[in-house]
Amino acid sequence: NAGVTQTPKFQVLKTGQSMTLQCAQDMNHEYMSWYRQDPGMGLRLIHYSVGAGITDQGEVPNGYNVSRSTTEDFPLRLLSAAPSQTSVYFCASSYGGGRTYEQYFGPGTRLTVT
Amino acid sequence: AQRVTQPEKLLSVFKGAPVELKCNYSYSGSPELFWYVQYSRQRLQLLLRHISRESIKGFTADLNKGETSFHLKKPFAQEEDSAMYYCALNPGNTGKLIFGQGTTLQVKP
Repeated sequence: NAGVTQTPKFQVLKTGQSMTLQCAQDMNHEYMSWYRQDPGMGLRLIHYSVGAGITDQGEVPNGYNVSRSTTEDFPLRLLSAAPSQTSVYFCASSYGGGRTYEQYFGPGTRLTVT
Repeated sequence: AQRVTQPEKLLSVFKGAPVELKCNYSYSGSPELFWYVQYSRQRLQLLLRHISRESIKGFTADLNKGETSFHLKKPFAQEEDSAMYYCALNPGNTGKLIFGQGTTLQVKP
């Protein structure tokens, strides 16, 4: 199993550009999430999904869109990039949303917006 | 409000010294807490979870509901323990984790 994969690993965007960060998992997990990691802020939840066709907002959803058409994929779209979106983005998945389930993380995408 | 606080950004100790990484939480219900670790150039991974009451790589963490804390402890630090450590709370059956700010543990030789 590849686990959770993310592409690209690095990306530089100009302000106003749009792009999609890809996330896929091959563990048949129902729950998938996107987090951003910023120094001194820890990881903050952007959007999450409890199954195909179902998504919801996390703590910092503004400027990002998600969709979940399949169990395996959970792309994150930046609509109009801003310097404040410079961050490291992590995708995670878990078998269930129950309180004891472990989340498995991808390797991250480092995004710089100039 | 649901919140996780890790008061130390950096904790630096010598090899063989005891380690305690602090974590305090704010949650009105019965908490489910985790410690995740990120070693250099590796992805974030689960270290241990409250419900398992296990010891992983010599680390333990005890939930203290009175002090609303879930501190991570190890009696003798090793150089390979150097990493970023995150305390996290899962407040419900949604898979949404609330993370603390993270603590960088530096173990010096």
